[in-house]
Amino acid sequence: EDQVTQSPEALRLQEGESSSLNCSYTVSGLRGLFWYRQDPGKGPEFLFTLYSAGEEKEKERLKATLTKKESFLHITAPKPEDSATYLCAVQAGQAGTALIFGKGTTLSVSS
Amino acid sequence: GAVVSQHPSRVICKSGTSVKIECRSLDFQATTMFWYRQFPKKSLMLMATSNEGSKATYEQGVEKDKFLINHASLTLSTLTVTSAHPEDSSFYICSAPPSGLSYNEQFFGPGTRLTVL
Repeated sequence: EDQVTQSPEALRLQEGESSSLNCSYTVSGLRGLFWYRQDPGKGPEFLFTLYSAGEEKEKERLKATLTKKESFLHITAPKPEDSATYLCAVQAGQAGTALIFGKGTTLSVSS
Repeated sequence: GAVVSQHPSRVICKSGTSVKIECRSLDFQATTMFWYRQFPKKSLMLMATSNEGSKATYEQGVEKDKFLINHASLTLSTLTVTSAHPEDSSFYICSAPPSGLSYNEQFFGPGTRLTVL
């Protein structure tokens, strides 16, 4: 059964304190691994898609990496506005199929 | 990125009534749209896949007669919660992968908060 596990469930950081969020997955035929940001009461906001092991993508203070078993979302020098829930999802099979989500990591950054 | 809208953003209704939620792709066509449900502090769970011009496919455990899906055009899918009950209260989110393109992003709507009294 395809499965996505995110850790930690919650993470509290001081502003400027870098850290990483983990997403481990078990899926047959990974087509893509997605990272989203979700603010309370809002829909997920797309961040990255990673397709193959060794791939890395960056956006501002965020950097996503992918191995054959897990993905990391590195947050460098976070700011309070980075506080949100970060969701990891995988897609198996054909392009355009539904995503399988992890439970998310809720990040709180205090100033 | 592509834009997906949902309407309404929140709805409160009495038990036993039906509620319709719309999902629109604003600047692209989507032959397929997905409906997810998210309970508090839980992950998004796929409910059903909406296919333009054909019947929706439902995930195991989701009642197709309770959650009616219509995908009437390439830019609109609707989810109707029939005879809603308090346990149907949740955050409903739709998503759409753009059709006819090689990339693989999926864009999500802002969600609809349903509260059944």
